[in-house]
Parts: sequence; structure tokens; C-alpha cells
Amino acid sequence: EAQVTQNPRYLITVTGKKLTVTCSQNMNHEYMSWYRQDPGLGLRQIYYSMNVEVTDKGDVPEGYKVSRKEKRNFPLILESPSPNQTSLYFCASSSLLAGGTDTQYFGPGTRLTVL
Amino acid sequence: AQKVTQAQTEISVVEKEDVTLDCVYETRDTTYYLFWYKQPPSGELVFLIRRNSFDEQNEISGRYSWNFQKSTSSFNFTITASQVVDSAVYFCALRSYNQGGKLIFGQGTELSVKP
Repeated sequence: EAQVTQNPRYLITVTGKKLTVTCSQNMNHEYMSWYRQDPGLGLRQIYYSMNVEVTDKGDVPEGYKVSRKEKRNFPLILESPSPNQTSLYFCASSSLLAGGTDTQYFGPGTRLTVL
Repeated sequence: AQKVTQAQTEISVVEKEDVTLDCVYETRDTTYYLFWYKQPPSGELVFLIRRNSFDEQNEISGRYSWNFQKSTSSFNFTITASQVVDSAVYFCALRSYNQGGKLIFGQGTELSVKP
């Protein structure tokens, strides 16, 4: 089954404790991206990657890191989480057909709480 | 600047009513794609439809239909004979050619279908 998976689905942590949210896709997609969803602010892009070893900042990259060492994986790293990073996080992937306008498929989401 | 506006924050209908969710977008690009996603109470983002800027044909899929009008920059979504299972937040989104692949989301419309 074609899918995007994220782990963990739920996480409660404390300020300053490094964490990684994993994302993996099995559709051989070149493009992967992270979004966060917050009440009143909607969905905003954090980082994206056009292919292996190619990453770039989205709209709200502060406090986050990513890496793309393999095509299928795109982990999101919070090196020193803060309470303002409490959010619902989504990973997404798509092919780069049609100049990067193909459908993005989303993972199930990771609900992160930073105390 | 690119922008997607969903003016209806919340809509409440009774089962079997028809309901239309409005979406208005802004872009200066000539090649772009429009999307609708559904976010049920469980939280995941489910892809519904993708429409390119050169195809203004309306589309129907079961009880769902979409009306794309380039002249008014609108991409409205109609659910016919609504059901309780249609209760969700619906997002309209825009993705332009060569814009880094970012999906620009509207703020979402929360649809509540009551029995």
C-alpha cells in the first residue's frame, strides 16, 4: 500500500530535550516536506526536500533541522524543543512531475506537546 | 503573493442537505494546481481532488463535485445529500509551478453534518 508513515504519532516531552520525528514514504517520491498545523495559523511549511541531499527552508524553519540521506526518509529534528513548538506535524511527499505541482500525500500526523 | 481564502469558517447542515464550500485564490502564475483535502476528526489529511489551471471542466465524483472558475479565481466544492461522515475540516490549497513545491492552504472550513 502506498503510504507516508510518521513516528511517533503522539509525543509529550520537556523543553530542551532533543527529539526526532521520523517520516518515510514508499512511493519513490523525490519531493518531501514538513508542515505544522496550529489553531488560527493553519498549515505552514517548515522544510522541504527536492531530492536526496537537497533541502531548503519553508516558511517557519526556526528551531528545526532536517536531513535527506535516503530518498524514502525525511526526519524532522528538534534539537532544543520549546513550548511554542507544540503543534500537529505532518510529513508529505510527492513526485516532481509537472514542475513540482503533483499531489502531495500526507502522513497521519504527529501530535507534539512540549512542556 | 499567493493566497487561498476560505471565507466560511464553520458550516452546519442537516443530513441530506447539499452544501457548498467556497475557495478563492490569488496567484500571478499561469500554471498552477488547486487541491481539496479533508481532515476528519481523527486528524489525518486526505486528498480529494487536484485540478490544473488549464482545465476548467467541472468534476463529479459520487456525491462530490467541484466547480473551477478561472474568471473569478474560485474553486468551490459541493457535497450533495450530505452525510454525518462528511463532518470534517476541508482545506483548499494552491501549488504553483516552480515555487518550491509548497502547498499554500486556506484556513479551512469546518463542516458539521447533523443527523
